Amino acid sequence: KAGVTQTPRYLIKTRGQQVTLSCSPISGHRSVSWYQQTPGQGLQFLFEYFSETQRNKGNFPGRFSGRQFSNSRSEMNVSTLELGDSALYLCASSFRLAGLAENEQFFGPGTRLTVL
Amino acid sequence: DAKTTQPPSMDCAEGRAANLPCNHSTISGNEYVYWYRQIHSQGPQYIIHGLKNNETNEMASLIITEDRKSSTLILPHATLRDTAVYYCIVNNYGQNFVFGPGTRLSVLP
Repeated sequence: KAGVTQTPRYLIKTRGQQVTLSCSPISGHRSVSWYQQTPGQGLQFLFEYFSETQRNKGNFPGRFSGRQFSNSRSEMNVSTLELGDSALYLCASSFRLAGLAENEQFFGPGTRLTVL
Repeated sequence: DAKTTQPPSMDCAEGRAANLPCNHSTISGNEYVYWYRQIHSQGPQYIIHGLKNNETNEMASLIITEDRKSSTLILPHATLRDTAVYYCIVNNYGQNFVFGPGTRLSVLP
């Protein structure tokens, strides 16, 4: 079974631009969660989508948004990029709604975003 | 904030067992303990999870104390490829994973 895939793997943008990242979950998984990882803050939860609906959201500004399609693929968008948005963006998929007991998440390789 | 505390770093000799501790004294009855690891700049890799009983799979064993306030991840025969940051997570019901800083395990030749 193929794992979680993320595209692109690397991205360089400049301040003020916007960016869209894509995540394809494991086949049959309906939940996709997004995380941001930076050296200073570690791994932080952004949001989760399940059956095309955002079910949970972390403490990030509204510049960070996402969506999920009927095939469970998900995209996240960051508008008006700031230098501090440079990070590894990870998505994880799971069969059930994440946060329910006993529901392991499987992570993709991440997209490394650099904002200049 | 993460509900777990882990030592920031540990060393282990290659071929020996690596025992990684985790404290989760405020865990509630329906919360599972998950372990993940992250090799430099890759996505976290799922290792194992458990509720009350000890668990074992092809990668590791998870020992949970009877009062569930702590657990230990055991890598029975550590190799250099096991060098990584190991995260112990207690999932908060209805919320997503909260990652702490984890334990940086260095397997030494």
